[in-house]
Amino acid sequence: DTEVTQTPKHLVMGMTNKKSLKCEQHMGHRAMYWYKQKAKKPPELMFVYSYEKLSINESVPSRFSPECPNSSLLNLHLHALQPEDSALYLCASSQVLSNYEQYFGPGTRLTVT
Amino acid sequence: GNSVTQMEGPVTLSEEAFLTINCTYTATGYPSLFWYVQYPGEGLQLLLKATKADDKGSNKGFEATYRKETTSFHLEKGSVQVSDSAVYFCALIYTGNQFYFGTGTSLTVIP
Repeated sequence: DTEVTQTPKHLVMGMTNKKSLKCEQHMGHRAMYWYKQKAKKPPELMFVYSYEKLSINESVPSRFSPECPNSSLLNLHLHALQPEDSALYLCASSQVLSNYEQYFGPGTRLTVT
Repeated sequence: GNSVTQMEGPVTLSEEAFLTINCTYTATGYPSLFWYVQYPGEGLQLLLKATKADDKGSNKGFEATYRKETTSFHLEKGSVQVSDSAVYFCALIYTGNQFYFGTGTSLTVIP
């Protein structure tokens, strides 16, 4: 099983809402990632977790808050977002933090109104 | 630093045409190289990979060879199909910290 699942598939939220994106993998991978992708652009790295600990934060605004409750789950908590945060949010995982391929989920299409 | 330069798109081909999408990289060591494909409205799927010089990755009729002497990893397919219409991303990873993606090349195949 090489599947990474993400929920919800689509999300519309107002600028005062609080919502969460969820990501799950059952491949035994110990590195997990959040990316943001705008239309017609490559994914931009946001956060990296390695063995459930935050390893990289690419200077992401605090209105995005990641959480890794266990080795299979990764959440992204959203609060007070701006319309420019509307994008496709992709989760990925890899065996460990090394030169291994990353497996991507289908993404959550987020619209901030 | 590390970077990936990818052929500008969009690319439009007729069905059964030959495809080449160029990718060159800059890296301070020996990266692993990947091609990912993204179909409309979906996430990225790993298409193929190569982890050392002269390795050839292949999948679904697509091929790419890791050329250290030219720092290239060009994607090729001998006969494209309409179902190959997608955006293709070249990427490298080095030291495990971060993927470096190319800008993506949009491919449209017309019947």
